Amino acid sequence: NAGVTQTPKFQVLKTGQSMTLQCAQDMNHNSMYWYRQDPGMGLRLIYYSASEGTTDKGEVPNGYNVSRLNKREFSLRLESAAPSQTSVYFCASSDLTDNTDTQYFGPGTRLTVL
Amino acid sequence: QKEVEQNSGPLSVPEGAIASLNCTYSDRGSQSFFWYRQYSGKSPELIMFIYSNGDKEDGRFTAQLNKASQYVSLLIRDSQPSDSATYLCAVKRVSNFGNEKLTFGTGTRLTIIP
Repeated sequence: NAGVTQTPKFQVLKTGQSMTLQCAQDMNHNSMYWYRQDPGMGLRLIYYSASEGTTDKGEVPNGYNVSRLNKREFSLRLESAAPSQTSVYFCASSDLTDNTDTQYFGPGTRLTVL
Repeated sequence: QKEVEQNSGPLSVPEGAIASLNCTYSDRGSQSFFWYRQYSGKSPELIMFIYSNGDKEDGRFTAQLNKASQYVSLLIRDSQPSDSATYLCAVKRVSNFGNEKLTFGTGTRLTIIP
């Protein structure tokens, strides 16, 4: 039981390049989330998916797109990377039927955009 | 006004003492409150959640909630060097459409001094 996995762990991009961050969970959770974490800004929600087939914008969606490929996988795409997107990206999942509704986080992807 | 506010610290506490971490929130409709611990370079992990006014204890940790004052705190008794981390307060509000999202504070960095 790996929990929430993310790939890659590290990535360096040049401005304008595109990439997709992958996230998968094996806990059979319905809900999945993408956050970014910047110094002094805390965790900010980019997009989330309450269930398979649905996605919604969070606090900072501009410059990103997401795909809920199936119940297990939720990917985040940067179509044209900008230096302002340099950050640590965390994927998380939760089970809304769980009384605690705990969000479980992946190990993160450290992205640098030059 | 930020939705969730925390003192960024750093907060230094001697080993064996009580560490007190505070969090205020602006949305009176908030229903659930969470404390996450994040070690440097790692992902957040849930340590406590609280829904009702009052205290909730789990081992050395006590969460306190006062909805009238819009205030939630975390007490760590008998602080250990392994408690040195950043503590994130998170608040959840369920919308009329059933969407549930967490809003995180920026975190308080806690250092336990041996």
